[in-house]
Amino acid sequence: EDQVTQSPEALRLQEGESSSLNCSYTVSGLRGLFWYRQDPGKGPEFLFTLYSAGEEKEKERLKATLTKKESFLHITAPKPEDSATYLCAVQANHNQGGKLIFGQGTELSVKP
Amino acid sequence: NAGVMQNPRHLVRRRGQEARLRCSPMKGHSHVYWYRQLPEEGLKFMVYLQKENIIDESGMPKERFSAEFPKEGPSILRIQQVVRGDSAAYFCASSQPGAPGANVLTFGAGSRLTVL
Repeated sequence: EDQVTQSPEALRLQEGESSSLNCSYTVSGLRGLFWYRQDPGKGPEFLFTLYSAGEEKEKERLKATLTKKESFLHITAPKPEDSATYLCAVQANHNQGGKLIFGQGTELSVKP
Repeated sequence: NAGVMQNPRHLVRRRGQEARLRCSPMKGHSHVYWYRQLPEEGLKFMVYLQKENIIDESGMPKERFSAEFPKEGPSILRIQQVVRGDSAAYFCASSQPGAPGANVLTFGAGSRLTVL
């Protein structure tokens, strides 16, 4: 069964304090691994897609990396506006279309 | 581009009533997905539809829930005889295979159902 586990469930950082969020996955044939950001009361907002082990992508203070078993979302010198829930999801080759299997999310809070 | 549009944003129903949630995909997208987010839980896949076809409904509860995506008009998620456990945020997403970024799902803002 395809499964995604994120840790920690919640993370509190001081502004400027860098850290990483973890996403462990089990999937039969990975088509892609996705990171989304979700603000309270809103829908998930796409951040990155990673397709193969060793791949990395960056956007402002965020950097996503991928291995054969897990992905990390590194946050460098975070700001209060980075506070949100970060969701990791996988697409499997055996599923039709773009069906995503999500983890529970990591709720990030960045204090000034 | 207005993105994925969902309505209503908030819906209150009493137990036993019906709830209908609508989703208009992004312009040019013909594939629609519905997800449910229960309080304190992650996003759970419900159903994947193309125009006039249900492709994957493996996440749909066996009873009371149905979905459609007609040739014309929005996709509709219908919940009959709602119970308190149906209270959740329901998200719609769309994609367009074959287009750049085809496998990226774009989500709407969600419809929040409260069952009294």
